[in-house]
Amino acid sequence: KQEVTQIPAALSVPEGENLVLNCSFTDSAIYNLQWFRQDPGKGLTSLLLIQSSQREQTSGRLNASLDKSSGRSTLYIAASQPGDSATYLCAVRTNTDKLIFGTGTRLQVFP
Amino acid sequence: KAGVTQTPRYLIKTRGQQVTLSCSPISGHRSVSWYQQTPGQGLQFLFEYFSETQRNKGNFPGRFSGRQFSNSRSEMNVSTLELGDSALYLCASSVRTDLTTDTQYFGPGTRLTVL
Repeated sequence: KQEVTQIPAALSVPEGENLVLNCSFTDSAIYNLQWFRQDPGKGLTSLLLIQSSQREQTSGRLNASLDKSSGRSTLYIAASQPGDSATYLCAVRTNTDKLIFGTGTRLQVFP
Repeated sequence: KAGVTQTPRYLIKTRGQQVTLSCSPISGHRSVSWYQQTPGQGLQFLFEYFSETQRNKGNFPGRFSGRQFSNSRSEMNVSTLELGDSALYLCASSVRTDLTTDTQYFGPGTRLTVL
């Protein structure tokens, strides 16, 4: 059974810092891994999708890497801003075609 | 292009009642998935519909059901509501032509409170 874990559960950093969010999964048989952002009480916004054959994806200040063999992904946020404050969720699409979500990292960036 | 819309946004029901939630996907998207989000269990997959057929389902009791119409709009029904059904219900739509690149687009969710 696929399990997805995110560390840390919460993170508070000053504006301008570079930071790394971690995601680990137990079964490497995946189609892809996605990172989402969720603002309080709202839906999810897709940030990045990494196909199982890829090692990383970049979008603006965000860079996500995938090491399928070790069951790990990281989301790197450069030069963090207060507007980055949100909960970040990773999710893997399993070989049984389900999207399994991690527990989330709640990020706060203070001015 | 309009995003995924969900109605209603908020709902209050009492135990034993039933409820129907609605989701309109992005135009051109044929797949609609439903998720339940609670503080204790996080985001859990309920089921997915594609071209009016249920393709996949998660581990939820039969009280949770859904359907999809020919215009891809989807409804989710929960019967005999329990206190534990209080949650944010999210739906997501996608094109679903290639599993490796399929990105899901989420709606704002329906907040269900069961009293």
